[in-house]
Amino acid sequence: DAGVIQSPRHEVTEMGQEVTLRCKPISGHNSLFWYRQTMMRGLELLIYFNNNVPIDDSGMPEDRFSAKMPNASFSTLKIQPSEPRDSAVYFCASSPGTGWYFGPGTRLLVL
Amino acid sequence: GIQVEQSPPDLILQEGANSTLRCNFSDSVNNLQWFHQNPWGQLINLFYIPSGTKQNGRLSATTVATERYSLLYISSSQTTDSGVYFCAVEGGRRALTFGSGTRLQVQP
Repeated sequence: DAGVIQSPRHEVTEMGQEVTLRCKPISGHNSLFWYRQTMMRGLELLIYFNNNVPIDDSGMPEDRFSAKMPNASFSTLKIQPSEPRDSAVYFCASSPGTGWYFGPGTRLLVL
Repeated sequence: GIQVEQSPPDLILQEGANSTLRCNFSDSVNNLQWFHQNPWGQLINLFYIPSGTKQNGRLSATTVATERYSLLYISSSQTTDSGVYFCAVEGGRRALTFGSGTRLQVQP
């Protein structure tokens, strides 16, 4: 198995631009999570899905952030418009019910 | 929400030394997992250990759920063990809550 796949691995954009991060979970895992890591706040949960349904989005910072999971093998996290304070590493993780498996992350820099 | 505290925050070891990392959590948990974040930023699974003891080579972990703590043991440390070690717990919701990590530096 290839593990959790994220793209792009690095993204540099200018303030105000739309950013879309993508994630392919491990096949057969029914839960998917988006996390953000910053020096100030550490690893924090943004949103998670169970069987493609958003369950808890209380960690999404504001309306500029949105996430979708149109099917069991794909999820997106979109930031529109992006701001410099969104600069962070964004991780996607999936779980079959026991254990969590993280992707390599997307390093986002908003100038 | 549940609080996760890790200690020590920073640790410097000489190659070959042993160490113990601690994770305390504020409430009962359903699951607990230890991760190693390597210098390239990857989060690597070490142990899924909601209770009991597990060993994998030079690493072992023990979780005492009733007393709300977990320990990660690293024996005969190597420079490749350097990085940040995270403890994460699943409490009342399905997702993991992370501690702030222990930053380990192993010197040759």
